[in-house]
Amino acid sequence: KQEVTQIPAALSVPEGENLVLNCSFTDSAIYNLQWFRQDPGKGLTSLLLIQSSQREQTSGRLNASLDKSSGRSTLYIAASQPGDSATYLCAASDSNYQLIWGAGTKLIIKP
Amino acid sequence: GAVVSQHPSWVICKSGTSVKIECRSLDFQATTMFWYRQFPKQSLMLMATSNEGSKATYEQGVEKDKFLINHASLTLSTLTVTSAHPEDSSFYICSARVSPLNEQFFGPGTRLTVL
Repeated sequence: KQEVTQIPAALSVPEGENLVLNCSFTDSAIYNLQWFRQDPGKGLTSLLLIQSSQREQTSGRLNASLDKSSGRSTLYIAASQPGDSATYLCAASDSNYQLIWGAGTKLIIKP
Repeated sequence: GAVVSQHPSWVICKSGTSVKIECRSLDFQATTMFWYRQFPKQSLMLMATSNEGSKATYEQGVEKDKFLINHASLTLSTLTVTSAHPEDSSFYICSARVSPLNEQFFGPGTRLTVL
């Protein structure tokens, strides 16, 4: 049974720093892996999707990598801004296209 | 990207009443939609998979008679919480799967409070 873990559960860094959020999964047979952000009391915004055949995806200041052999994905945020403060969730998609969720990392960017 | 809407965005109801939540794909057709529930400070939990024109597939522990799902068209799925109780108070989020990458796009969520 697939399990997805995100570490750390919470992270607070000063504005301007580069940071890395970690996501690990136990079963390498994933279809794809998605990163989302969720603002308090709001829905989810899809940030990046990495297909199982891909190694990384980039969007603006965000870069997500995928290493299936080690069961890990990272989300790199460059030059962090206060507006980046949110909970970041990763989810692995199985062959039935269902998402298995991590518990999230709550990120606070201090001005 | 694909846009998914939900209505209402929040609802307060009395215990024992039924509440219907709509999930619409605005600029695409979705043969598959998903319904999630999220309790405070917890991750999303998949409740059911909704397939257009067929019965929904419910996750273990989710009562299908309590959470009625109807996916009557390629752009609309509804979740009805029947005989709601305070423990049903939660944040309900739907998503729609988009081919060919099978990426999921999420609605903004519905906050349900049962008094």
